[in-house]
Amino acid sequence: EDKVVQSPLSLVVHEGDTVTLNCSYEVTNFRSLLWYKQEKKAPTFLFMLTSSGIEKKSGRLSSILDKKELFSILNITATQTGDSAIYLCAVGNYGGSQGNLIFGKGTKLSVKP
Amino acid sequence: EAGVTQFPSHSVIEKGQTVTLRCDPISGHDNLYWYRRVMGKEIKFLLHFVKESKQDESGMPNNRFLAERTGGTYSTLKVQPAELEDSGVYFCASSQDRLNEQYFGPGTRLTVT
Repeated sequence: EDKVVQSPLSLVVHEGDTVTLNCSYEVTNFRSLLWYKQEKKAPTFLFMLTSSGIEKKSGRLSSILDKKELFSILNITATQTGDSAIYLCAVGNYGGSQGNLIFGKGTKLSVKP
Repeated sequence: EAGVTQFPSHSVIEKGQTVTLRCDPISGHDNLYWYRRVMGKEIKFLLHFVKESKQDESGMPNNRFLAERTGGTYSTLKVQPAELEDSGVYFCASSQDRLNEQYFGPGTRLTVT
């Protein structure tokens, strides 16, 4: 069965710290891996990764995919209290209608002032 | 550009009653998806529309759930009759192409008592 596993499930850091969130997957016919940030309601799209070794970057956030080892990391540098959220990892595959995303349980990040 | 909207934000109904959830996707997005998150579990795929056609409904739990997208614009998800285990947050997402990133709405929290 396809699955996505995120670690840690929960993380508490102080402002200014750097954090690394992990996402590993076992999915047949892998297509893409996506990261979302969920603060209160709607998960907000961060990155979509399809190729190994190519870092995607947006401000203090960056992410990279390793298709050989089947994992991705999301890095956040110089964390701020506004980074507090649940970070979701999801994987798309070429099965079915190709629209199905398989989600992990998420990592809850709390950034203390 | 308006994002994905969902209505209502929260619904509390009794077991055996009927509830209809609504999703308005981003304008121009042909692909519309429904997902559900039950307590303590990851977000799970329910189904995928392309315009008004169901492409994949492999995630629909049973025949008490009926999704429609007449006219290929907004979509409704009806639960009839609702059971206790249907409680959770129902998310809608849309994308321009099935291989593109999906944009999520804020979700409808359904509580069945």
